[in-house]
Amino acid sequence: DVKVTQSSRYLVKRTGEKVFLECVQDMDHENMFWYRQDPGLGLRLIYFSYDVKMKEKGDIPEGYSVSREKKERFSLILESASTNQTSMYLCASSLTGDTEAFFGQGTRLTVV
Amino acid sequence: DQQVKQNSPSLSVQEGRISILNCDYTNSMFDYFLWYKKYPAEGPTFLISISSIKDKNEDGRFTVFLNKSAKHLSLHIVPSQPGDSAVYFCAARSSGTYKYIFGTGTRLKVLA
Repeated sequence: DVKVTQSSRYLVKRTGEKVFLECVQDMDHENMFWYRQDPGLGLRLIYFSYDVKMKEKGDIPEGYSVSREKKERFSLILESASTNQTSMYLCASSLTGDTEAFFGQGTRLTVV
Repeated sequence: DQQVKQNSPSLSVQEGRISILNCDYTNSMFDYFLWYKKYPAEGPTFLISISSIKDKNEDGRFTVFLNKSAKHLSLHIVPSQPGDSAVYFCAARSSGTYKYIFGTGTRLKVLA
């Protein structure tokens, strides 16, 4: 089974802090994604990566950056956390563009 | 602009009956569609997918129907079970991209 692991289930950070969310997949997938889920808004794509060191902006990239130095790891960085970034963050990976994405368990981030 | 729409935020169904979840899309370039199920505090789990060259795909109790002319897809669950109670997201991918665009979700409650 594909395993996508996010480093934290719950995280509380202060406004202005730099926050790192880590995601690791163990199936040699090409593509990795970061989404956030908010009530009434569904899952919105923040960034995705189709190869090591390659990244593309999703629909809501403002306030975020990403890093993919190794194929199995995709990090989401909040440069200066704000309260409107309080959300559930979901990492996903897929083998190719024609296959389903597998999700991690999510990180519930609260910015106070 | 919401390209993938799930207009029913919630649905209640009696155990043993059919659950029908609907999804509409606006982008005619979408060629691959997926349904995910999500329990609280967990990541979404892939259920079933369909390519735009098909109009139906079946997997056990789950069937997805695609009507390209109406830009509409639906997920049928027969028979519905209490364990099916979750939030269901439809997602779509545009030809030539790696991005999955998600709807806002429908909360299904199966009553015992």
